Amino acid sequence: GDSVTQMEGPVTLSEEAFLTINCTYTATGYPSLFWYVQYPGEGLQLLLKATKADDKGSNKGFEATYRKETTSFHLEKGSVQVSDSAVYFCALGNNNAGNMLTFGGGTRLMVKP
Amino acid sequence: GAGVSQTPSNKVTEKGKYVELRCDPISGHTALYWYRQSLGQGPEFLIYFQGTGAADDSGLPNDRFFAVRPEGSVSTLKIQRTERGDSAVYLCASSLRASPNEQFFGPGTRLTVL
Repeated sequence: GDSVTQMEGPVTLSEEAFLTINCTYTATGYPSLFWYVQYPGEGLQLLLKATKADDKGSNKGFEATYRKETTSFHLEKGSVQVSDSAVYFCALGNNNAGNMLTFGGGTRLMVKP
Repeated sequence: GAGVSQTPSNKVTEKGKYVELRCDPISGHTALYWYRQSLGQGPEFLIYFQGTGAADDSGLPNDRFFAVRPEGSVSTLKIQRTERGDSAVYLCASSLRASPNEQFFGPGTRLTVL
């Protein structure tokens, strides 16, 4: 079945540092890929998405590119802020396997001033 | 507009008891999903509804778990004979139509089974 693997946290960075959170997936067909974010005390929010190979999703300075050849969707941000501290989840959705989302285990990011 | 709401926000119960968790989707959304998030893990799919019918219940862990959506709007997740291992945050999401691309999540219900 479909699965998502993302790097374990916590990831601790200083403000303005470069961020990469790795995510790889296994799926049949042509899934859509997502990054969700969970800020402290809040619910899951969609951060960005890409629905086909080579698409780049971007939002709030975060980017991720759908790489079919490496089955990856790594999250990047050039300069993190303290307010980016949260848990980030990589997920895939596959119309060939129902309409549910399959999530990775989450990566906690802590940004220090 | 109003987002997905879930009640209660917290539920503490004793092992063996019955619990009901409620989800109010975004108005007009035909698809509704339930996920379970255990501590330190990502959400796991339980069941989804298209309208009133359960389109896929393959994620329900066993027959103690059941969900309904009788009028195609509000949904209730029901857990019988709760066990300590059922402790988790139960998340509900809705989308305009059945799709992985457009799901909006509620704040969740934190269930603790003592």
